[in-house]
Amino acid sequence: DGGITQSPKYLFRKEGQNVTLSCEQNLNHDAMYWYRQDPGQGLRLIYYSQIVNDFQKGDIAEGYSVSREKKESFPLTVTSAQKNPTAFYLCASSARTGNTIYFGEGSWLTVV
Amino acid sequence: QKEVEQDPGPLSVPEGAIVSLNCTYSNSAFQYFMWYRQYSRKGPELLMYTYSSGNKEDGRFTAQVDKSSKYISLFIRDSQPSDSATYLCAMEGSGNQFYFGTGTSLTVIP
Repeated sequence: DGGITQSPKYLFRKEGQNVTLSCEQNLNHDAMYWYRQDPGQGLRLIYYSQIVNDFQKGDIAEGYSVSREKKESFPLTVTSAQKNPTAFYLCASSARTGNTIYFGEGSWLTVV
Repeated sequence: QKEVEQDPGPLSVPEGAIVSLNCTYSNSAFQYFMWYRQYSRKGPELLMYTYSSGNKEDGRFTAQVDKSSKYISLFIRDSQPSDSATYLCAMEGSGNQFYFGTGTSLTVIP
């Protein structure tokens, strides 16, 4: 089935460690996105990529990094510089002609 | 002013009721409008999308867009306990950018 696969579903990190969240899509979409969702705050854009080997910062990029080496993959690294990383992270994708955006099932990151 | 405003609720209705969920927006250039359903601890699932003004119906769900008022609605008829979720509205801006409401939490009581 076509869709967006995020892994892991749940991740625990010690303070000071970097972690990488995986996002793979088989929808043949050009654009991919990472959002952070906190209770009562809605979705906040971290990074997005319109094409392979290119990406742009969103509203809350500090403490995060991404890469886009393949069309299907858009991993997100949460670095130790991110002050409050405990959150629900959502990966999404959209066709170049846009109109709609589709989401993965999300990854829960907890800093312990 | 936020691009998209959505009442967070929570909204609680008895089973079988008609539910009305609403969003307002400020950018008159928005052309595509979406509604998502998000169950607890899951990713948002696309329910419906509409282009420009008008109504679109899919089973118990009707999406309505009024561009003159910059107002969109989602109606759920014969609501079921399984409809209990958070509903997000979204709009597409230029350059593959999407703008989301903060979500309305809905509980349908059996």
